[in-house]
Amino acid sequence: RKEVEQDPGPFNVPEGATVAFNCTYSNSASQSFFWYRQDCRKEPKLLMSVYSSGNEDGRFTAQLNRASQYISLLIRDSKLSDSATYLCVVDLWGAGSYQLTFGKGTKLSVIP
Amino acid sequence: DGGITQSPKYLFRKEGQNVTLSCEQNLNHDAMYWYRQDPGQGLRLIYYSQIVNDFQKGDIAEGYSVSREKKESFPLTVTSAQKNPTAFYLCASRGLDDQETQYFGPGTRLLVL
Repeated sequence: RKEVEQDPGPFNVPEGATVAFNCTYSNSASQSFFWYRQDCRKEPKLLMSVYSSGNEDGRFTAQLNRASQYISLLIRDSKLSDSATYLCVVDLWGAGSYQLTFGKGTKLSVIP
Repeated sequence: DGGITQSPKYLFRKEGQNVTLSCEQNLNHDAMYWYRQDPGQGLRLIYYSQIVNDFQKGDIAEGYSVSREKKESFPLTVTSAQKNPTAFYLCASRGLDDQETQYFGPGTRLLVL
């Protein structure tokens, strides 16, 4: 069974904290990896792609571990505006399938 | 302004009625998708299309139908056969480069009266 799994949370953290999310995927042939952010009652929006060498965008760092088949998202210096659900997204069906599989999401609440 | 539009934002369906949700994109993307999201749940794929006049069933296609007569448009019909249609419906599109991700429209909330 092809799956993308995430800890549903919720993660409740104080402002300024560092928080990390992990996600595991079932197909070792997967090539494309992304993190999306979804605010309450809104559509998912791309947060960042995840590259093999790891990548950083401001306070956000994404990493890929192909051997263990997991990706991670690290958020430093959390802001109230980071409160949202974070979705892990993987092309579980492999290159050329045009399908992306979404995890169920991890809910983050940043507390004042 | 490029993007994906969905209409209506809210839709009410009576028992036994078919309703159609609109999705239009001007991103020149070949692939388009329909997902359903229930409260507190992840996205589930209903149908997708990689090219005009062709589409494939996703994980939960029963009770739904689609058409892809134009590259820009991928309407979804929720038929009376769908017994539990209340959900948040999201349309997405994607270019065919494997490294491209999907972009979503703002969604349509369907409620049954």
